[in-house]
Amino acid sequence: AQSVTQLGSHVSVSEGALVLLRCNYSSSVPPYLFWYVQYPNQGLQLLLKYTTGATLVKGINGFEAEFKKSETSFHLTKPSAHMSDAAEYFCAVSATIYNQGGKLIFGQGTELSVKP
Amino acid sequence: DAGVIQSPRHEVTEMGQEVTLRCKPISGHNSLFWYRQTMMRGLELLIYFNNNVPIDDSGMPEDRFSAKMPNASFSTLKIQPSEPRDSAVYFCASRPGTNSYNEQFFGPGTRLTVL
Repeated sequence: AQSVTQLGSHVSVSEGALVLLRCNYSSSVPPYLFWYVQYPNQGLQLLLKYTTGATLVKGINGFEAEFKKSETSFHLTKPSAHMSDAAEYFCAVSATIYNQGGKLIFGQGTELSVKP
Repeated sequence: DAGVIQSPRHEVTEMGQEVTLRCKPISGHNSLFWYRQTMMRGLELLIYFNNNVPIDDSGMPEDRFSAKMPNASFSTLKIQPSEPRDSAVYFCASRPGTNSYNEQFFGPGTRLTVL
């Protein structure tokens, strides 16, 4: 079975500061990992994903994440926060074996606030 | 493409009434997902379909909830009878193909309030 833990339900940073949102996963098979972002009153949209290959994945809006198998982590970072980054961020994991299902398991979400 | 379309965007109803939420997935997508989001429970998968066939409905809370996908371009989520604890934002998402590494595209959601 797969699961996701996001450390910190709320993170606050100053504009221009580093953004670090933490995600740890549990999976019995090699995982596919995702970060989605949700802006207020909107649905989720994909930021980036890891499937295979390079462990450092770059996404939209300057975000990136690194898959670390030894640490079972997939933390999301951005070197310099912008006010427009304020949103809720969800980490998700899915099974890579088809008969284990094509669904995503989402974490509880981390709300990012950016202070001017 | 218009993206995933959900209707209505807001629904206010009274306890005991039937509620039907509608979703039109992105054309050509093969998988469709229904989620529920609340402050207390976060984002929960209710049910998903591959090629119009329900694959996993283990997240459906109880028999009051039912979902159908009569064709590739339409799905409904019905709650009958509705209860105040069903108040939440309900999202529909669609995905090209059936592989879990493909991106899910989310609709704008339906905000349901049951009084």
